[in-house]
Amino acid sequence: DGGITQSPKYLFRKEGQNVTLSCEQNLNHDAMYWYRQDPGQGLRLIYYSQIVNDFQKGDIAEGYSVSREKKESFPLTVTSAQKNPTAFYLCASNGDRRDEQFFGPGTRLTVL
Amino acid sequence: AQSVAQPEDQVNVAEGNPLTVKCTYSVSGNPYLFWYVQYPNRGLQFLLKYITGDNLVKGSYGFEAEFNKSQTSFHLKKPSALVSDSALYFCAVRDNTGGFKTIFGAGTRLFVKA
Repeated sequence: DGGITQSPKYLFRKEGQNVTLSCEQNLNHDAMYWYRQDPGQGLRLIYYSQIVNDFQKGDIAEGYSVSREKKESFPLTVTSAQKNPTAFYLCASNGDRRDEQFFGPGTRLTVL
Repeated sequence: AQSVAQPEDQVNVAEGNPLTVKCTYSVSGNPYLFWYVQYPNRGLQFLLKYITGDNLVKGSYGFEAEFNKSQTSFHLKKPSALVSDSALYFCAVRDNTGGFKTIFGAGTRLFVKA
């Protein structure tokens, strides 16, 4: 089945630790995205990548880092510099610019 | 800069009545516009999109949306609401001038009462 997967579904982290969220797609899509969802604030764009080995900052990139070494994978690292990391994180992908995005099921990160 | 506004945090409607969820946008070029729906603790599901052509777009589950360039709006509509339509709805915009950057609105919670 074609789709986009995120792991883990739930993640707990202690303050001061970095953590990496996984996002994998087998849709052969060029573009991939990371969004953060907080109650009442909708989806805010963290990073996006239009092609392998290239990515751009979104509106709230501070405290996050990404890599795009393979077309299928776009991992997100939440660093200790992110002041309020507890949130629901969504990964998405699409092919052509006219196409809708396909979303993963999300990862809920809680900082203890 | 791209932006999307969904002016209503929540919309309440009785089952069988028509519903409208509002969206306005701002882009530097011409827009690609999208509507998505989210159920609790899930990812987003695509409903419909406007790329070019006919201003009235029909999508999944009986939803439709009307693109209005002069008012920079893309309101989501359905002629007869169902209780199962209750969910969180997001409008999104992408500038068609070349990039992939896609911005979402804050979301509107639709509550359909039986």
